[in-house]
Amino acid sequence: EDKVVQSPLSLVVHEGDTVTLNCSYEVTNFRSLLWYKQEKKAPTFLFMLTSSGIEKKSGRLSSILDKKELFSILNITATQTGDSAIYLCAVEAWNNDMRFGAGTRLTVKP
Amino acid sequence: DAGITQSPRHKVTETGTPVTLRCHQTENHRYMYWYRQDPGHGLRLIHYSYGVKDTDKGEVSDGYSVSRSKTEDFLLTLESATSSQTSVYFCAISEAGSNQPQHFGDGTRLSIL
Repeated sequence: EDKVVQSPLSLVVHEGDTVTLNCSYEVTNFRSLLWYKQEKKAPTFLFMLTSSGIEKKSGRLSSILDKKELFSILNITATQTGDSAIYLCAVEAWNNDMRFGAGTRLTVKP
Repeated sequence: DAGITQSPRHKVTETGTPVTLRCHQTENHRYMYWYRQDPGHGLRLIHYSYGVKDTDKGEVSDGYSVSRSKTEDFLLTLESATSSQTSVYFCAISEAGSNQPQHFGDGTRLSIL
């Protein structure tokens, strides 16, 4: 059965720390892996990864995919309180099915 | 922000009643999706649509039906609501073609007593 597993489930850090969030998957007919940030309402899109080894960056956030080992990481450097959120990993298959992990709840303390 | 409006935003109803949730988009995107989000399960796909009158089942489709008579509207219906369908429901849209991410609406919080 297709599944997406995120770790850790929750994480508490202080401003300025660097964090690494993990996502492993077992999905048939893999098409892409996506990261979303969810604060109070809608998940907002961060990255889409389709190829191994190519890092995507946006400001202090970056992500990379390893299709051989079936995982991805999301890094956040110099964390700020505004980074506090649930970070969701999702894997999309070629049949349009998308499976989400349970999410990592990140809390950044001042 | 993607032009997605979900209605209602909150609803409380009783077991056995029919419920319809609406997703309206102004982006003219081909694909539309319904998810539910529950603690410990993340987001799970209920149904999706790849065009007007074209729909397919997702991971947790039992107890739900959908309809799409216009590009901009995607309806999710619970024919006879049960307490297990208490959840937050999200609509998402995406453009046609590969490498197009889904963008989400703000959700509908549905409570079934």
